Amino acid sequence: GNSVTQMEGPVTLSEEAFLTINCTYTATGYPSLFWYVQYPGEGLQLLLKATKADDKGSNKGFEATYRKETTSFHLEKGSVQVSDSAVYFCALTLYNQGGKLIFGQGTELSVKP
Amino acid sequence: KAGVTQTPRYLIKTRGQQVTLSCSPISGHRSVSWYQQTPGQGLQFLFEYFSETQRNKGNFPGRFSGRQFSNSRSEMNVSTLELGDSALYLCASTLGAGEVPRAYEQYFGPGTRLTVT
Repeated sequence: GNSVTQMEGPVTLSEEAFLTINCTYTATGYPSLFWYVQYPGEGLQLLLKATKADDKGSNKGFEATYRKETTSFHLEKGSVQVSDSAVYFCALTLYNQGGKLIFGQGTELSVKP
Repeated sequence: KAGVTQTPRYLIKTRGQQVTLSCSPISGHRSVSWYQQTPGQGLQFLFEYFSETQRNKGNFPGRFSGRQFSNSRSEMNVSTLELGDSALYLCASTLGAGEVPRAYEQYFGPGTRLTVT
């Protein structure tokens, strides 16, 4: 079946540290890939997306590259801030099921000053 | 542009009761998807409605149902509530058709927190 696996959290970093959150997927077909972020008490916000191999999604200093050969979509940021503390979800959708997102289990990030 | 709104934000119900949650999508969006979020199971897809028709369905029992109105607003209903139904219920709206992936970029509401006692 189709699934997404993320690295387990929580991840605790100091401000200005480098962030990587690993995400791998299994999909029948050619998925579109997304990263969503959830701040405490809120819904999910779309952070970035990619639709084909080697696409790089980027937003607010975060980046992720669609790697078909390794079925991965790792999230990176060069210098995290306290305000980046949140839960991050990797997700995929298939072309014929566009309204259905399949999520990873989420990775909680805590950034200390 | 107004975002996705969900009502009510918080709800407390008793086992055996039923509940109806409402979702108003972003103007112009024709698709609404519903998700259940729990600490144990994470985010799970319930169903998607597009132009008043259920287009995709997750693996939930028949106690969970939904509908969509001509103005794209959607409701989901849970009958015969169980303790395990306590969760944050999120809805998301998308254009639902057109160029991929923009057509399927989902914009989420703040959720309805349902507690079943």
